[in-house]
Formats: sequence, C-alpha cells, structure tokens
Amino acid sequence: SYVLTQPPSVSVAPGQTARIPCGGNNIGSKSVHWYQQKPGQAPVLVVYDDSDRPSGIPERFSGSNSENTATLTISRVEAGDEADYSCQVWDSISDHPVVFGGGTKLTVL
Amino acid sequence: QVQLQESGPGLVKPSETLSLTCTVSGASIKNYYWSWIRQPPGRGLEWIGYIYYSGSTNYNPSLKSRVTISIDTSKNQFSLKLNSVTPADTAVYYCARVMPTRNPRLDYWGQGTLVTVSS
Repeated sequence: SYVLTQPPSVSVAPGQTARIPCGGNNIGSKSVHWYQQKPGQAPVLVVYDDSDRPSGIPERFSGSNSENTATLTISRVEAGDEADYSCQVWDSISDHPVVFGGGTKLTVL
Repeated sequence: QVQLQESGPGLVKPSETLSLTCTVSGASIKNYYWSWIRQPPGRGLEWIGYIYYSGSTNYNPSLKSRVTISIDTSKNQFSLKLNSVTPADTAVYYCARVMPTRNPRLDYWGQGTLVTVSS
C-alpha cells in the first residue's frame, strides 16, 4: 500500500513560519489533506485537496504539493497552533485507499 | 452542524469482541461514506474501514479478517465490530464522515472513545 512519511517533530518560534513536509512516491499526482490534532481532541481538517481551506480555518494555513513532497505551511505561528499534524491521501487503486502519514508534532518554542 | 458521537464499552477482555456505535446528528447518513479510524496511545492514525449508506464496505487489509462495519439508516447510526481483540487493539476509536469527492476526505469526526483491551 501507499506510504506517507512525515518527520516526528518540527519546532518554530512564535510569529515565524512552520513548514511540515509529507513525503510519498509521486505524491504530486495525488490530492493531499491535512489534519490538526490537539492533545485529547479529535482531528480537524485544516487543508484539503492540497491547498484549499474548510470554512473557519485561518488563512495562515496553506498547502502545496509537488513531485514527491506535499507541505503544510503555517504562517505567523501562534502558541495555539501547537498540535500534531497528519497528512492523508486517497489511494484509489489500492485495497487500502485511506492512507495517513505518521504525524508531525509541531512545537511552538 | 454535523455531529458524530461514539458509544460503547471502554474495556474489553482479550479474545472478545469490541463493539462501538456512531450516532450521526445534523445530517442524513444517506449519500455519504462513513469511516472508523483508530489511534493507539502515542501513535498515528490508522484507518479501519468505511461503509457507504447502501451497505457496501471496504476494510483495511490488515484488519479485514476481524472487522465488520454495518449501518442502520433508520437510526442514523453505523457500527464497528472487531473480534478476537488483543492488547494491541487498545486505542482511541474515532468515527468520521467521508466527503464523497474525487479525493475523499474526512470532514467531520466524533470526539473519540478510548477502548482498552485488558483482562
């Protein structure tokens, strides 16, 4: 089945820009969704189809996807952005269509 | 506002069957896919399977032999059964709605319920 690879952790100072990568073989040919999960809470969709935002998600959250890496970018990082972030794709040709990355812990210094 | 709520026992003995129900409110269960996902303590999300309102299903191959997902459209509920559980099945179990687009995403999630497998 398709594999998504994320670094375990990313750290950033408040006000700076955080970039969280999600690697996969030719991931640029797929659409990537991103979820934010704060401790003890359910995941929340923050970016879908590579770069679209659901209603209510701040413009500070954006995404890109090219070749073998998709990236979630959080601008002007705030303390409240500290969370785990997971990428997800739909692998339509697989018997395991819903694929998650292992998640990245974003720490705001 | 779409809301999902998981319910079921929080403790299951090894070799027994884990049973959970997800109740959907604020939207009809029809015309969507509905999924179960789990997250072992300190680890990432694992897809368990999904069901369409018509009853068609798709399961994670690694769990397929032990999983059954069913749906009750009259009650706006869908359910998960995982049999022959072991301590490795201890996790927070989430139900979620699958937005049926060309590249489906999980747009609404339940709050999750911790299920511990222990004697």
